[in-house]
Amino acid sequence: EAQVTQNPRYLITVTGKKLTVTCSQNMNHEYMSWYRQDPGLGLRQIYYSMNVEVTDKGDVPEGYKVSRKEKRNFPLILESPSPNQTSLYFCASSFSSGRILTDTQYFGPGTRLTVL
Amino acid sequence: DAKTTQPPSMDCAEGRAANLPCNHSTISGNEYVYWYRQIHSQGPQYIIHGLKNNETNEMASLIITEDRKSSTLILPHATLRDTAVYYCIVRALTNAGGTSYGKLTFGQGTILTVHP
Repeated sequence: EAQVTQNPRYLITVTGKKLTVTCSQNMNHEYMSWYRQDPGLGLRQIYYSMNVEVTDKGDVPEGYKVSRKEKRNFPLILESPSPNQTSLYFCASSFSSGRILTDTQYFGPGTRLTVL
Repeated sequence: DAKTTQPPSMDCAEGRAANLPCNHSTISGNEYVYWYRQIHSQGPQYIIHGLKNNETNEMASLIITEDRKSSTLILPHATLRDTAVYYCIVRALTNAGGTSYGKLTFGQGTILTVHP
């Protein structure tokens, strides 16, 4: 089954304790991205990756890092989490043909993060 | 991306067709109409997209008016599990390097409630 998986689904942590949220897709998609969703603010893009070793900032990258060492995985790293990073996080992937991206994006189930 | 306008909420009886409208009067010739939905706190789910012609897949039908200024998403036999927020997004295919590459902007959408 084609899918995007995220782990963990729920996480409660404390300020400053480094954490990683994993994202994996089995569709051989070149494009992957991370969004956060907050009440009243909708979905905002954090980082995206066009392919292996190619990443770029989205709209709200501060406090986050990403890496793309393999095509299927795109982990989100919070080096020193703060309470304002409490949010619902979604990973997404999409197929691109050459440099043209389709917008039929597949989203993961979400990771609800609470930073105390 | 063209601006879209959707009603904030709609109701539908289970088993009946749900018709969700979207206005996009400033749509450009190269912009597609995409529909996504988000069931409470789950990842957004792609439903369907189209450019000019009406489209149908296993989930829904998309009717685009001849002048392309509005469209309607049709769920032919709504079930309780179709209760969700439905988003209409209008955008062109994006090139790598563009600032909107892969970045979906979800507006307020339409909250569809399917009742027994």
